[in-house]
This record gives sequence, C-alpha cells and structure tokens, in this order.
Amino acid sequence: NAGVTQTPKFRILKIGQSMTLQCTQDMNHNYMYWYRQDPGMGLKLIYYSVGAGITDKGEVPNGYNVSRSTTEDFPLRLELAAPSQTSVYFCASIAGGRNTGELFFGEGSRLTVL
Amino acid sequence: KQEVTQIPAALSVPEGENLVLNCSFTDSAIYNLQWFRQDPGKGLTSLLLIQSSQREQTSGRLNASLDKSSGRSTLYIAASQPGDSATYLCAVRGGAGANSKLTFGKGITLSVRP
Repeated sequence: NAGVTQTPKFRILKIGQSMTLQCTQDMNHNYMYWYRQDPGMGLKLIYYSVGAGITDKGEVPNGYNVSRSTTEDFPLRLELAAPSQTSVYFCASIAGGRNTGELFFGEGSRLTVL
Repeated sequence: KQEVTQIPAALSVPEGENLVLNCSFTDSAIYNLQWFRQDPGKGLTSLLLIQSSQREQTSGRLNASLDKSSGRSTLYIAASQPGDSATYLCAVRGGAGANSKLTFGKGITLSVRP
C-alpha cells in the first residue's frame, strides 16, 4: 500500500535556486495538502487542492506554487529558494466530500537552503 | 481562532505504565479530531479519528476520547512499551470542506523507558 509518496526525501539548495517537491497518492483522494513543519512551530498549511485543476492558498503560501493536473499528483514548486524555506515539507490527502475523515501523510521532504 | 494545546511537551514513563496524553482546544465547534504519531525523521501516522458525534474510538492498546463541551480529548495508551516512544499530535478540523481549517497541536514527545 503506497498511500502518499513524496520525493525527494532530502535536498540541499543554494539561495536563489528553484526546485519541485513531488507528491503522489494512489487512494483516489480528492483533497490534497502541502504543509511545512518547523521545530516548535507546529504544522503550517502552504497550499491545498480540492481536485484536479483547483488549488488555493493556505496560511503561508509566499514563495511557493502548486499545480494539480491529475487527481494523483500535487507538486510543490519553490522559486528562488531562501533560507527561511529550510523546513520539512509534508504532503497529505483526504477523501473529501461525504467521506471526509482520515488525513494521510507522506514521509516528508527535508529541505535545506544554504 | 481555534487553538490546540498539548501539555506537557514531553513525558517520560517506565515500561508497562498506563498513560494519558491530553489535547485541549478552544472552539468546541469541531468536525472531527485526529490523533497522530510521528517518529523522528518520519511523517505523521494516523492513530485514531473521532467524529464530532462520537465519544471515543479504540484501536488495540489505544483509546481516544472526545468531550466537545469541555474542549478536551485524551489518548489513553495501555501497558506502554519502548516502541511507543514517539511524538503524539492531535489535530482538530473545523468542517467537512477542503478549506476547513485543520489546527494541530505542537505534540507531546513520549519516552518509554525499558
């Protein structure tokens, strides 16, 4: 059971570089989310999507972009990486609609910007 | 604004002890509450999900209760084992929609001593 899969697991970027964090889920979930987790700060929502072609901003969207071309995939793009984006990023999904319930997380992507 | 508090931040107990982890929230108008476990360097694993209409949920040695009126949930772990050592987070969801806010506590780091 793959669930939510994130790649890469680790990445070091230089300031100003760009990259994409990949997320795919095989549970046919409608809703997908990107969170960042910083020590002592809890999880903060970056972006979310209710389905293919529909995305919206969360609490901390600045410096990030997303797309949702398929139900399965929800990549997160970092443009012009900054040290403040050093964090652990988690992708999550949930069934949505009448089945809204359990949230499933990926294993996380640890990003360091130097 | 919903706030979720988990106190204490860390807890150390001897193996075999029954223990209770607390989660409190300020707004009782919740849709559901979910308990997660996070091992170091790993993602969040769902333990139990309680809908707002439910009072408790059980899975193996774990039992989670929900008292909306008092804004409290507890996670009871029976006969704790060293393998239970992890950070336990609770999260409350305000509604069924994808944009309904999911508010996380900062977690309780549990250490079970052999």
